[in-house]
Amino acid sequence: DQQVKQNSPSLSVQEGRISILNCDYTNSMFDYFLWYKKYPAEGPTFLISISSIKDKNEDGRFTVFLNKSAKHLSLHIVPSQPGDSAVYFCAASAGTNAGKSTFGDGTTLTVKP
Amino acid sequence: DVKVTQSSRYLVKRTGEKVFLECVQDMDHENMFWYRQDPGLGLRLIYFSYDVKMKEKGDIPEGYSVSREKKERFSLILESASTNQTSMYLCASRSQTTLGGYTFGSGTRLTVV
Repeated sequence: DQQVKQNSPSLSVQEGRISILNCDYTNSMFDYFLWYKKYPAEGPTFLISISSIKDKNEDGRFTVFLNKSAKHLSLHIVPSQPGDSAVYFCAASAGTNAGKSTFGDGTTLTVKP
Repeated sequence: DVKVTQSSRYLVKRTGEKVFLECVQDMDHENMFWYRQDPGLGLRLIYFSYDVKMKEKGDIPEGYSVSREKKERFSLILESASTNQTSMYLCASRSQTTLGGYTFGSGTRLTVV
């Protein structure tokens, strides 16, 4: 039973365009959601998060949207840059300080120059 | 610069060996985690710890144990390595009191032959 799903294994976009990465979850207890970026041969790096009391959070070129009724979140990257090419993991936890997160399978983003 | 350090980047061990993976963090974080990453399966939680000498099973604890004798160090032990434990192992830490994601180590690529 996979509680966090990223249905697109890969995504390719042109430099300067928008990248939209999607994530669905099934556990209604999840109330804190995170995105991580991972380059090859490195550990994941925390990118941005959102609490369930919000529906949007922005940090520079990165925006996360949360639709609680649909149990869906998305990460928008605008404009996309070649350095954004990486694997992106969506994660969810129950409680902001509970610590334990459940991860999706990841989406490989390729940004073409 | 805050860090999570995993003692080895690459390890090759024989079936049946006892294997120790070490992880040290310098951020005084209460929470520490061990995940494994496999293609198509994302990151799966093996064990985690909220405090010294405390441990809790994650989603896939079979064949593993952990030790946390000091706050900064969290060790993963493969009691008798098997080929299906060949994987990328990622250690992470997180504060209990501040929002945000994990800080991950660079990972240990373990091959069991």
